[in-house]
Amino acid sequence: NAGVTQTPKFRVLKTGQSMTLLCAQDMNHEYMYWYRQDPGMGLRLIHYSVGEGTTAKGEVPDGYNVSRLKKQNFLLGLESAAPSQTSVYFCASTVVRDYYEQYFGPGTRLTVT
Amino acid sequence: DAKTTQPNSMESNEEEPVHLPCNHSTISGTDYIHWYRQLPSQGPEYVIHGLTSNVNNRMASLAIAEDRKSSTLILHRATLRDAAVYYCILRMIRGSEKLVFGKGTKLTVNP
Repeated sequence: NAGVTQTPKFRVLKTGQSMTLLCAQDMNHEYMYWYRQDPGMGLRLIHYSVGEGTTAKGEVPDGYNVSRLKKQNFLLGLESAAPSQTSVYFCASTVVRDYYEQYFGPGTRLTVT
Repeated sequence: DAKTTQPNSMESNEEEPVHLPCNHSTISGTDYIHWYRQLPSQGPEYVIHGLTSNVNNRMASLAIAEDRKSSTLILHRATLRDAAVYYCILRMIRGSEKLVFGKGTKLTVNP
Protein backbone atom coordinates (compact mmCIF):
# COMPACT_ATOMS: atom_id res chain seq x y z
CA ASN A 1 0.00 0.00 0.00
CA ALA A 2 1.16 3.51 -0.81
CA GLY A 3 -0.79 4.94 2.13
CA VAL A 4 -1.57 8.64 1.73
CA THR A 5 -0.01 10.41 -1.22
CA GLN A 6 -0.09 14.11 -2.12
CA THR A 7 0.41 15.82 -5.44
CA PRO A 8 2.36 18.03 -6.05
CA LYS A 9 5.16 18.09 -3.50
CA PHE A 10 6.12 21.70 -4.18
CA ARG A 11 4.43 24.60 -5.97
CA VAL A 12 5.01 28.30 -6.41
CA LEU A 13 2.01 30.44 -7.33
CA LYS A 14 1.56 34.09 -8.08
CA THR A 15 -1.09 36.03 -6.18
CA GLY A 16 -4.47 35.48 -7.78
CA GLN A 17 -3.62 32.20 -9.48
CA SER A 18 -5.59 29.06 -8.77
CA MET A 19 -4.53 25.49 -8.16
CA THR A 20 -5.75 22.16 -6.87
CA LEU A 21 -3.92 19.89 -4.45
CA LEU A 22 -4.69 16.20 -4.74
CA CYS A 23 -4.74 13.75 -1.86
CA ALA A 24 -5.15 10.04 -2.52
CA GLN A 25 -5.36 7.11 -0.11
CA ASP A 26 -5.50 3.40 -0.89
CA MET A 27 -6.61 2.19 2.56
CA ASN A 28 -10.38 2.49 1.96
CA HIS A 29 -10.63 5.07 4.73
CA GLU A 30 -13.91 6.91 5.23
CA TYR A 31 -12.60 10.13 6.74
CA MET A 32 -10.16 12.48 5.06
CA TYR A 33 -8.71 15.80 6.20
CA TRP A 34 -6.77 18.80 4.93
CA TYR A 35 -4.48 20.69 7.32
CA ARG A 36 -2.11 23.57 6.92
CA GLN A 37 1.04 24.15 8.95
CA ASP A 38 2.73 27.52 9.20
CA PRO A 39 6.33 27.86 10.44
CA GLY A 40 6.72 27.02 14.13
CA MET A 41 3.05 26.18 14.49
CA GLY A 42 0.97 23.08 14.90
CA LEU A 43 -1.38 21.88 12.20
CA ARG A 44 -4.73 23.60 11.67
CA LEU A 45 -7.69 21.87 10.08
CA ILE A 46 -8.98 23.45 6.86
CA HIS A 47 -11.73 21.09 5.70
CA TYR A 48 -12.60 17.48 6.23
CA SER A 49 -14.83 14.81 4.77
CA VAL A 50 -16.67 11.98 6.51
CA GLY A 51 -17.47 10.16 3.28
CA GLU A 52 -17.76 10.30 -0.47
CA GLY A 53 -19.74 13.35 -1.56
CA THR A 54 -19.62 15.08 1.85
CA THR A 55 -17.38 17.85 3.14
CA ALA A 56 -17.31 20.09 6.19
CA LYS A 57 -15.45 23.17 7.35
CA GLY A 58 -12.63 23.01 9.82
CA GLU A 59 -10.89 25.71 11.80
CA VAL A 60 -9.52 27.80 8.90
CA PRO A 61 -11.69 27.19 5.79
CA ASP A 62 -11.70 30.67 4.23
CA GLY A 63 -10.11 30.88 0.80
CA TYR A 64 -10.26 27.12 0.20
CA ASN A 65 -12.74 24.73 -1.36
CA VAL A 66 -12.75 20.95 -1.31
CA SER A 67 -14.39 18.06 -3.09
CA ARG A 68 -14.65 14.33 -2.40
CA LEU A 69 -16.11 12.82 -5.56
CA LYS A 70 -14.39 9.49 -5.00
CA LYS A 71 -13.79 7.81 -1.67
CA GLN A 72 -10.07 7.55 -2.24
CA ASN A 73 -9.49 11.16 -3.31
CA PHE A 74 -9.82 14.48 -1.51
CA LEU A 75 -9.09 17.65 -3.46
CA LEU A 76 -8.18 21.04 -1.99
CA GLY A 77 -8.65 24.06 -4.22
CA LEU A 78 -7.38 27.59 -3.99
CA GLU A 79 -9.43 29.78 -6.33
CA SER A 80 -7.40 32.97 -5.93
CA ALA A 81 -4.17 32.40 -4.06
CA ALA A 82 -2.94 34.94 -1.52
CA PRO A 83 0.48 35.26 0.17
CA SER A 84 -1.21 34.35 3.47
CA GLN A 85 -1.81 30.90 2.02
CA THR A 86 1.90 30.19 1.85
CA SER A 87 2.18 27.10 4.00
CA VAL A 88 2.78 23.38 4.08
CA TYR A 89 -0.40 21.42 3.43
CA PHE A 90 -0.95 17.97 4.86
CA CYS A 91 -3.65 15.51 4.00
CA ALA A 92 -4.71 12.73 6.37
CA SER A 93 -7.18 9.87 6.45
CA THR A 94 -8.62 7.47 8.98
CA VAL A 95 -11.00 4.55 9.25
CA VAL A 96 -13.93 5.33 11.48
CA ARG A 97 -14.82 1.94 12.92
CA ASP A 98 -11.49 1.37 14.58
CA TYR A 99 -10.43 4.96 14.87
CA TYR A 100 -7.13 5.27 16.62
CA GLU A 101 -4.93 7.20 14.31
CA GLN A 102 -4.87 9.48 11.36
CA TYR A 103 -2.47 8.60 8.57
CA PHE A 104 -0.73 11.64 7.13
CA GLY A 105 0.71 12.31 3.72
CA PRO A 106 4.19 13.78 3.13
CA GLY A 107 2.92 17.32 2.61
CA THR A 108 2.81 19.91 -0.17
CA ARG A 109 4.91 23.02 0.24
CA LEU A 110 3.12 25.97 -1.36
CA THR A 111 4.59 29.42 -1.81
CA VAL A 112 2.44 32.32 -3.01
CA THR A 113 4.38 35.35 -4.19
CA ASP B 1 -12.11 20.97 22.20
CA ALA B 2 -10.27 20.70 25.50
CA LYS B 3 -6.83 22.27 25.61
CA THR B 4 -3.46 20.75 26.36
CA THR B 5 -0.29 22.42 27.67
CA GLN B 6 3.18 21.15 26.81
CA PRO B 7 6.69 22.54 27.29
CA ASN B 8 8.02 24.18 24.16
CA SER B 9 11.21 22.13 24.11
CA MET B 10 13.11 19.38 25.88
CA GLU B 11 16.52 17.80 25.53
CA SER B 12 17.67 14.30 26.11
CA ASN B 13 20.75 12.19 25.61
CA GLU B 14 20.82 9.20 23.34
CA GLU B 15 19.87 5.88 24.95
CA GLU B 16 18.39 7.60 28.00
CA PRO B 17 14.67 7.59 28.85
CA VAL B 18 12.61 10.65 28.01
CA HIS B 19 9.48 11.78 29.81
CA LEU B 20 7.36 14.25 27.86
CA PRO B 21 4.65 15.87 30.03
CA CYS B 22 1.24 17.12 29.02
CA ASN B 23 -1.30 18.96 31.15
CA HIS B 24 -4.98 18.75 30.28
CA SER B 25 -6.80 20.02 33.34
CA THR B 26 -10.11 20.57 31.49
CA ILE B 27 -10.28 17.03 30.13
CA SER B 28 -13.71 15.46 30.15
CA GLY B 29 -14.60 11.86 30.79
CA THR B 30 -15.14 11.26 27.09
CA ASP B 31 -11.75 12.51 25.89
CA TYR B 32 -9.08 10.16 24.63
CA ILE B 33 -5.46 11.29 25.01
CA HIS B 34 -3.53 10.94 21.77
CA TRP B 35 0.14 11.54 21.04
CA TYR B 36 1.55 12.20 17.61
CA ARG B 37 5.03 13.17 16.56
CA GLN B 38 6.36 15.00 13.54
CA LEU B 39 9.84 14.29 12.30
CA PRO B 40 11.57 17.10 10.38
CA SER B 41 10.03 17.72 6.96
CA GLN B 42 7.46 14.94 7.39
CA GLY B 43 3.79 14.63 8.20
CA PRO B 44 2.77 13.74 11.75
CA GLU B 45 2.66 10.10 12.75
CA TYR B 46 0.64 8.39 15.45
CA VAL B 47 2.53 7.35 18.56
CA ILE B 48 0.06 6.13 21.15
CA HIS B 49 -3.31 6.84 22.73
CA GLY B 50 -5.16 6.06 25.96
CA LEU B 51 -8.27 6.78 27.98
CA THR B 52 -7.70 5.95 31.64
CA SER B 53 -5.15 3.17 31.98
CA ASN B 54 -1.46 3.30 31.18
CA VAL B 55 -0.65 2.00 27.71
CA ASN B 56 2.41 0.46 26.10
CA ASN B 57 3.28 -0.17 22.48
CA ARG B 58 6.42 -0.76 20.50
CA MET B 59 7.13 2.95 20.19
CA ALA B 60 6.40 4.32 23.66
CA SER B 61 4.45 4.17 26.91
CA LEU B 62 1.70 6.49 28.02
CA ALA B 63 1.25 7.15 31.72
CA ILE B 64 -2.06 8.79 32.65
CA ALA B 65 -2.59 10.43 36.02
CA GLU B 66 -5.35 9.01 38.15
CA ASP B 67 -7.40 12.21 37.85
CA ARG B 68 -6.60 12.31 34.09
CA LYS B 69 -5.56 15.96 34.29
CA SER B 70 -2.09 15.14 33.04
CA SER B 71 -0.23 12.47 31.13
CA THR B 72 3.35 11.60 30.26
CA LEU B 73 4.72 10.09 27.09
CA ILE B 74 7.70 7.89 27.86
CA LEU B 75 10.36 6.98 25.33
CA HIS B 76 12.32 4.25 27.07
CA ARG B 77 15.60 4.70 25.19
CA ALA B 78 15.83 7.79 23.05
CA THR B 79 17.57 7.51 19.72
CA LEU B 80 18.62 10.25 17.32
CA ARG B 81 15.64 9.25 15.18
CA ASP B 82 13.29 10.25 18.01
CA ALA B 83 14.17 13.92 17.55
CA ALA B 84 10.83 15.43 16.58
CA VAL B 85 7.97 17.64 17.69
CA TYR B 86 5.62 15.69 19.95
CA TYR B 87 1.96 16.68 20.13
CA CYS B 88 -0.44 15.79 22.92
CA ILE B 89 -4.04 15.94 21.68
CA LEU B 90 -7.44 15.29 23.22
CA ARG B 91 -10.16 13.66 21.15
CA MET B 92 -13.76 13.05 22.13
CA ILE B 93 -15.13 9.53 22.12
CA ARG B 94 -17.83 9.24 19.44
CA GLY B 95 -17.57 12.92 18.83
CA SER B 96 -15.71 14.81 16.20
CA GLU B 97 -12.95 12.82 14.62
CA LYS B 98 -10.96 16.01 14.30
CA LEU B 99 -7.57 16.46 15.92
CA VAL B 100 -6.64 19.88 17.30
CA PHE B 101 -2.88 20.35 17.28
CA GLY B 102 -1.10 22.72 19.63
CA LYS B 103 2.54 23.75 19.14
CA GLY B 104 3.86 20.59 20.77
CA THR B 105 7.21 19.88 22.42
CA LYS B 106 10.33 19.91 20.32
CA LEU B 107 12.56 17.08 21.50
CA THR B 108 16.28 17.32 20.84
CA VAL B 109 18.31 14.15 21.30
CA ASN B 110 22.02 14.62 21.89
CA PRO B 111 24.49 11.92 20.77
